Amino acid sequence: EVQLVESGGGLVKPGGSLRLSCAASGFTFSSYSMNWVRQAPGKGLEWVSSISSSSSYIYYADSVKGRFTISRDNAKNSLYLQMNSLRAEDTAVYYCARSETVTTFDYWGQGTLVTVSS
Amino acid sequence: QSALTQPASVSGSPGQSITISCTGTSSDVGSYNLVSWYQQHPGKAPKLMIYEVSKRPSGVSNRFSGSKSGNTASLTISGLQAEDEADYYCCSYAGSSTFVPFGGGTKLTVL
Repeated sequence: EVQLVESGGGLVKPGGSLRLSCAASGFTFSSYSMNWVRQAPGKGLEWVSSISSSSSYIYYADSVKGRFTISRDNAKNSLYLQMNSLRAEDTAVYYCARSETVTTFDYWGQGTLVTVSS
Repeated sequence: QSALTQPASVSGSPGQSITISCTGTSSDVGSYNLVSWYQQHPGKAPKLMIYEVSKRPSGVSNRFSGSKSGNTASLTISGLQAEDEADYYCCSYAGSSTFVPFGGGTKLTVL
């Protein structure tokens, strides 16, 4: 059974940093692209970042470019999101999702809440 | 403001059919057959319902179907059931710079 479990969310002050993790199991992690998608409270889904299976290709939404860094460790079946210079508008539930194709997010974790507030 | 435009809400009675539209541009929906649709119930993670415009993942009811015409993709749900009440989001590939915008979401109410 495919499982994606996010961790690392919490309360952080504006300008602060946080590192999210996503532990994957039940599939060959190194064969799939992975993604972060977020959802602000009461708002819609927003794609944040994608990383290819071997980390050769990495993409970011304009809203996080230069502040967030996506990475993965295929030996540990783990996906990461390093978030720096956090802003109030980064407050959201962050989901990790597996990609079958570039827009086919076929499995999702349950999400981890990031709150940026003073 | 989302790159893809969806109606904020749609509604229908049990047994009826509804269609949710997702309007993009010639740079996204109109250029690629890489449109997907997601269902999200309150407090839950999104669930893939349709991918590559009209393909259904294993386990998704055949009451859900997808199509595309020009710059607009559509999700049709036939034989509406109470459990279909949820938010629905479309998503399209938009090239390597914009990458993967989502629509703003549509709240489906089953009357």
